[in-house]
Amino acid sequence: SQTIHQWPATLVQPVGSPLSLECTVEGTSNPNLYWYRQAAGRGLQLLFYSVGIGQISSEVPQNLSASRPQDRQFILSSKKLLLSDSGFYLCAWSVGWGQGNYGYTFGSGTRLTVV
Amino acid sequence: DAKTTQPPSMDCAEGRAANLPCNHSTISGNEYVYWYRQIHSQGPQYIIHGLKNNETNEMASLIITEDRKSSTLILPHATLRDTAVYYCIVRVVNSGGSNYKLTFGKGTLLTVNP
Repeated sequence: SQTIHQWPATLVQPVGSPLSLECTVEGTSNPNLYWYRQAAGRGLQLLFYSVGIGQISSEVPQNLSASRPQDRQFILSSKKLLLSDSGFYLCAWSVGWGQGNYGYTFGSGTRLTVV
Repeated sequence: DAKTTQPPSMDCAEGRAANLPCNHSTISGNEYVYWYRQIHSQGPQYIIHGLKNNETNEMASLIITEDRKSSTLILPHATLRDTAVYYCIVRVVNSGGSNYKLTFGKGTLLTVNP
């Protein structure tokens, strides 16, 4: 069965420090991968999505970047964190509809607090 | 993708049916209706989806009106663990079979009371 792993679960980082969040998927090949962010009291905002290795699409301009070095690995990064980067970061995956998938499967999330 | 309108909050008594409405009056013929829910501090969880016909699974039932302009998610016997934000999303599935860019609105906060 397919599983998605996301870590760390919580993170407290000082302003100006770098960030690296990792997400991996098991049990599937060539998944579509996504990074969402949920600020406190706000909705889910799609940050990046990827339909293949090295293919990254950005939804909103921001202080973050994403990379997909391997088929089932998706990394969210920042060179210098801002206070506004605080939030709940969620990784998700999906495959083609014809393969019987029922939409997105989300990871358990990383709660990032920038201080 | 078509936009949806949901009430911001609803209450339900434990053991009773919870009926969560969603309006999607601009839905297109090739757009599906999806429901997800997000329990506090967790990632969203898929519940059910449908195109035209009513659907039922082990979690819920989805009732879509004949004109497809609205739908209702039914939790037949709500429990305290069903307290969550419920998102109704309509979106088209690409002809190539891949899907992406699921856009979440504000959803409905369902509170199940003992």
